[in-house]
Amino acid sequence: EIVLTQSPGTLSLSPGERATLFCRASQSVGSAFFGWYQQKPGQAPRLLIYGTSSRAAGIPDRFRGSGSGTDFSLTISRLEPEDFAVYYCQQYGSSHLAFGQGTKVEIK
Amino acid sequence: QVLLVESGGGVVQPGGSLRLSCAASGFSFSRHGMQWVRQAPGKGLEWVAFIQYDGTNTYYADSVKGRFAVSRDNSKNTVYLQMNSLRSEDTAVYYCTKDQATDWQAGDCSNSWGQGTLVTVSS
Repeated sequence: EIVLTQSPGTLSLSPGERATLFCRASQSVGSAFFGWYQQKPGQAPRLLIYGTSSRAAGIPDRFRGSGSGTDFSLTISRLEPEDFAVYYCQQYGSSHLAFGQGTKVEIK
Repeated sequence: QVLLVESGGGVVQPGGSLRLSCAASGFSFSRHGMQWVRQAPGKGLEWVAFIQYDGTNTYYADSVKGRFAVSRDNSKNTVYLQMNSLRSEDTAVYYCTKDQATDWQAGDCSNSWGQGTLVTVSS
């Protein structure tokens, strides 16, 4: 069973700044089977990135995913007010899916 | 548009049972795998279960294996989660999700989520 560890736990930044979130897997994950979600308070999560680097429908291009093997990252090039939220990484495509524990991006 | 509506949540005593339902619309239900994901109060997301588009394969998290059962009725566009032997640690909002991929036998990323239904296990 693959375990995903996200870092940092909390990221304190100002609007307009660049955010980089990390996710490390306990074993190698196929690039086609890795994604990121955004969750705002009181809302269901929303798919941002799938297949490591493909943006889901309607996701702006300031969100970029990258990585391979055991190390993946999500970069938000310039934070907009609506980007302050919790972000989860996920590995899928097998009989046991898993989420990371989340990174909170908060306003500094 | 895609709509997923969960129901069946509520308060149940430890050791009790509950069945959640998720009514789907706006897409070809019988071509997509479906999943259940839960979130305990103030905590992160936990994957719970997956069912293949045609119901052939089901997979479960170790924390619920042997206690929970996922099923679907493609004639009713509905997926179910039967939860037995409930424990306090099962208290969470349960989300129904739709796989992005079609006609695939393993869990995929979830490109649509329901609003969730709250299950509280307490005496």
